[in-house]
Amino acid sequence: AQSVTQLDSQVPVFEEAPVELRCNYSSSVSVYLFWYVQYPNQGLQLLLKYLSGSTLVKGINGFEAEFNKSQTSFHLRKPSVHISDTAEYFCAVTLDNYGQNFVFGPGTRLSVLP
Amino acid sequence: ETGVTQSPTHLIKTRGQQVTLRCSSQSGHNTVSWYQQALGQGPQFIFQYYREEENGRGNFPPRFSGLQFPNYSSELNVNALELDDSALYLCASSLDRESYGYTFGSGTRLTVV
Repeated sequence: AQSVTQLDSQVPVFEEAPVELRCNYSSSVSVYLFWYVQYPNQGLQLLLKYLSGSTLVKGINGFEAEFNKSQTSFHLRKPSVHISDTAEYFCAVTLDNYGQNFVFGPGTRLSVLP
Repeated sequence: ETGVTQSPTHLIKTRGQQVTLRCSSQSGHNTVSWYQQALGQGPQFIFQYYREEENGRGNFPPRFSGLQFPNYSSELNVNALELDDSALYLCASSLDRESYGYTFGSGTRLTVV
């Protein structure tokens, strides 16, 4: 079975600083990888996804992530954060077959400080 | 802009009661999955419906049940509510069970007192 680890439960960072949110997964077969953002009292919004091809994936709001198969990682990065990026970020995987469900990590709380 | 609508947005129920949560999937999406997100945790898979039949289930007891209708709407029913059922319930839909094409709704916040 797959599992997802997000090593940092909370990440405080100053506005305009770069940030990296870490995600590692375990799976013996090929997976699809996702990052979702959840603002307070809201549902999940897709930031980006890796299905195949280039290992560097660009998403919305200036975020990008890099798939590293050898390290089974999919870390999320942004070169310069804004106050509005304060939210909970979830890494998720699915198997690359039809009918599979998401397995989510526990989330990382990003707090952008002025 | 999400095409998945959930209702109600908030709900308070008493322990032992039954509750029905509703989801209107994105048009044409014949697959719907439900997730439970407890406070401070990532969402946990409850079950998936495909063409009105249950197509997979997570580690949830039978008192969690669902229905999917031909008009792309679905329901999550929970019987004999327990305090631990308090959570945000998320619905996600996709076309033909595509694992990479899910759209999530904004969720229903259920509080059991």
